[in-house]
Amino acid sequence: GAVVSQHPSRVICKSGTSVKIECRSLDFQATTMFWYRQFPKQSLMLMATSNEGSKATYEQGVEKDKFLINHASLTLSTLTVTSAHPEDSSFYICSAPDSQWATGELFFGEGSRLTVL
Amino acid sequence: GNSVTQMEGPVTLSEEAFLTINCTYTATGYPSLFWYVQYPGEGLQLLLKATKADDKGSNKGFEATYRKETTSFHLEKGSVQVSDSAVYFCASGDTGRRALTFGSGTRLQVQP
Repeated sequence: GAVVSQHPSRVICKSGTSVKIECRSLDFQATTMFWYRQFPKQSLMLMATSNEGSKATYEQGVEKDKFLINHASLTLSTLTVTSAHPEDSSFYICSAPDSQWATGELFFGEGSRLTVL
Repeated sequence: GNSVTQMEGPVTLSEEAFLTINCTYTATGYPSLFWYVQYPGEGLQLLLKATKADDKGSNKGFEATYRKETTSFHLEKGSVQVSDSAVYFCASGDTGRRALTFGSGTRLQVQP
């Protein structure tokens, strides 16, 4: 099956610094990737849709200057949390459909837990 | 837009008990429906799916049937194990090429 991998799985940073999270599709091409954010004991909130070769589409209420998304190739999307603050601490998960969108299923990365001190 | 409602947890069961986690959806069309499972500290894994009405998805002893008339996709398992302890998410997929919409998740705790 399709494999999506995220890196790093855990990151701790100081307030005010920027953190980059990578999401890779390992055995398929992903022209579209989705970034979700999960708060403790809560559901997944869609943050943005990452499109290869074009600008990301952000959901209402998500600051695009805060959460920079770049989808430079068919297998890599990155999420950069700029000037991170403690309230940005969360579990960030990326996902991608298979290249044919055959069933609408999404394949998820392992998630990246960000802790901002 | 689409929405998914699932029962709140946590659900605590003894090993070998019967499990039902309710899930209902609202959608303008006929979405695909999914159950994902999240084990502690991990990302989401697809548990099962159904792409059209009356389809039954099944995997690892879990089952769910796509009921168009009741807009439901309840998850069931006849005999749970301790290893089934996790958070279960119901999700619907738009008919377009869009992200999935998730329910709030239901935490299952199975005690030996």
